Amino acid sequence: QSVLTQPPSVSAAPGQKVTISCSGSSSNIGHDYVSWYQQLPGTAPKLLIYDNNKRPSGIPDRFSGSQSGTSATLGITGLQTGDEAVYYCGTWDNSLSSYVFGTGTQVTVL
Amino acid sequence: QVQLVQSGAEVKKPGASVKVSCTASGYTFTSYDINWVRQATGQGLEWMGWIYSNSGNTNYVQKFKGRVTMTRDTATSTAYMELNGLRSEDTAVYYCARSGDYHMDVWGKGTAVTVSS
Repeated sequence: QSVLTQPPSVSAAPGQKVTISCSGSSSNIGHDYVSWYQQLPGTAPKLLIYDNNKRPSGIPDRFSGSQSGTSATLGITGLQTGDEAVYYCGTWDNSLSSYVFGTGTQVTVL
Repeated sequence: QVQLVQSGAEVKKPGASVKVSCTASGYTFTSYDINWVRQATGQGLEWMGWIYSNSGNTNYVQKFKGRVTMTRDTATSTAYMELNGLRSEDTAVYYCARSGDYHMDVWGKGTAVTVSS
């Protein structure tokens, strides 16, 4: 069981916006930076957001991240069919001395 | 370009060991750590631990302590993950991923490990 909780799925029509929440505690999200990873079907995860809200080179600004207290949020605007994937949050957990991933959220473009 | 190339798929019997390799290129190997993450079919991501590429020091998740060994060869820029005492629950895709400050920015394509009698 993951210590970071995400909704199992979210969906929206092309061009719309979705947000994915990641709920943790003071020992993880409340203590360290959050990253977000995108996993397209049959492929390895890909870094989407790091340090709560920074985008690696090549990641479009349609993707954004934020953090407040013990929760983090990933936003995707201008939804495209190519965004259909599972999205995971991740951060260091100071109590577990371990990196932890969220439960994962399937994004479906209707 | 920066990449991590992993070894091929493995099929092992219960109780056996598996050793997966991860060869880095396109960057200075010792400047980044290597994480190992696994994913069972249809399941989420599970962090197993990491190796500090510079020092060789390791940090394993409690769950795998005693069964996993992570090593590296700086001469060939290769990291290894060996898992012993395999059981069916270890059937998964194993990924290596580079990290700097607690985020994994480059991932290998994964190595499928199947444990079956």
